[in-house]
Amino acid sequence: QKEVEQNSGPLSVPEGAIASLNCTYSDRGSQSFFWYRQYSGKSPELIMSIYSNGDKEDGRFTAQLNKASQYVSLLIRDSQPSDSATYLCAVSTSTGRRALTFGSGTRLQVQP
Amino acid sequence: GAVVSQHPSWVICKSGTSVKIECRSLDFQATTMFWYRQFPKQSLMLMATSNEGSKATYEQGVEKDKFLINHASLTLSTLTVTSAHPEDSSFYICILPGPSGYNEQFFGPGTRLTVL
Repeated sequence: QKEVEQNSGPLSVPEGAIASLNCTYSDRGSQSFFWYRQYSGKSPELIMSIYSNGDKEDGRFTAQLNKASQYVSLLIRDSQPSDSATYLCAVSTSTGRRALTFGSGTRLQVQP
Repeated sequence: GAVVSQHPSWVICKSGTSVKIECRSLDFQATTMFWYRQFPKQSLMLMATSNEGSKATYEQGVEKDKFLINHASLTLSTLTVTSAHPEDSSFYICILPGPSGYNEQFFGPGTRLTVL
């Protein structure tokens, strides 16, 4: 069974702190990795994509990928109450089918 | 950037009726569209892959006679939930692979279906 696993949370952090979100995946053929933010009742929106091992930074967000450990994470620096949402990890394989497999999401609560 | 629309954004229907959800690509031609559903507090689960000009491919456990998919053109796919029941109440999202590469994905805004 190909899976993407995340801790459901909620992860609660104070405003201004670093939030660390983690994701593991089972399919070693996975090539592309994405983090999405989803507010209640809304469609997910892309935050970061990462394709190679290491870190990728974009503003307050840093994605980290370790293919050997089949692990991808998202760090949110200087967390804001507006960051409170569910964060979905998604992967796609190299099969060409391009369908995303999503984790169940981690709910983040940033306390003012 | 590319825009994907879904219609309706929400619908309430009685048990036993059929509901049609449209997914439109406004900026590019999409030979493939993915249909997902999301139950409350759960993840997005792939239901089926809609292929223009051919039959849809359904994921295991998804009834193709209940969830009818028609990819009528390169910009439109429809999902019809036939004989809807309360357990079909969910958030339905279409996702389109972008035209320029396999790492692009464009999300529809979703359709909230409530079956009474």
